[in-house]
Amino acid sequence: QSVLTQPPSASGTPGQRVTISCSGSSSNIGSNTVNWYQQLPGTAPKLLIYSNNQRPSGVPDRFSGSKSGTSASLAISGLQSEDEADYYCAAWDDSLNGQWVFGGGTKLTVL
Amino acid sequence: EVQLVESGGGLVQPGRSLRLSCAASGFTFDDYAMHWVRQAPGKGLEWVSGISWNSGSIGYADSVKGRFTISRDNAKNSLYLQMNSLRAEDTALYYCAKTPSSSWYRDWFDPWGQGTLVTVSS
Repeated sequence: QSVLTQPPSASGTPGQRVTISCSGSSSNIGSNTVNWYQQLPGTAPKLLIYSNNQRPSGVPDRFSGSKSGTSASLAISGLQSEDEADYYCAAWDDSLNGQWVFGGGTKLTVL
Repeated sequence: EVQLVESGGGLVQPGRSLRLSCAASGFTFDDYAMHWVRQAPGKGLEWVSGISWNSGSIGYADSVKGRFTISRDNAKNSLYLQMNSLRAEDTALYYCAKTPSSSWYRDWFDPWGQGTLVTVSS
């Protein structure tokens, strides 16, 4: 059972816009920033979004992040086949001496 | 280019120990905090441990506290994870990851190494 809650799966057709949600609590998302990671099949995770809505250099602007209260979202517009991957949200959790927590991951399928 | 290369994984019996290493290059290692994150086969990501730039601050996930010890040798640009009293549920791909600051309790993980597989089984 992950501390942050994500839907296990999401899907869309090429060109569509999809969103992936990440729900937490006041001790994690509610008081800290959210990061998103993309894991392509058979590869290591890669930072996709940091500090709620910032894109690292090289990440297309089709990817965007937002946060409101104790929830966050990752949006992917102009969906492409190469976006098929697992997506994870993560945040610092202030409870229990502090720990990093992840969502369970969302497998995105491009139909 | 930042590179993180993990090693030391393998098959180990329950209750035994294993030490993982992460060799870092392409950046000033002793300026940055580092982490270990694991992924059980077919499962999601789980943070394991983090260490500040000078080893002055360290944190562990509850699932490994008291059994795992993180350390670093800045002279050797290396990060370590000593894993004792291993259990079947510790079976996972173990990644090391860099942070953009000196503290392990802030920011994010970027980049990640390719991981080293630990299998705990009799």
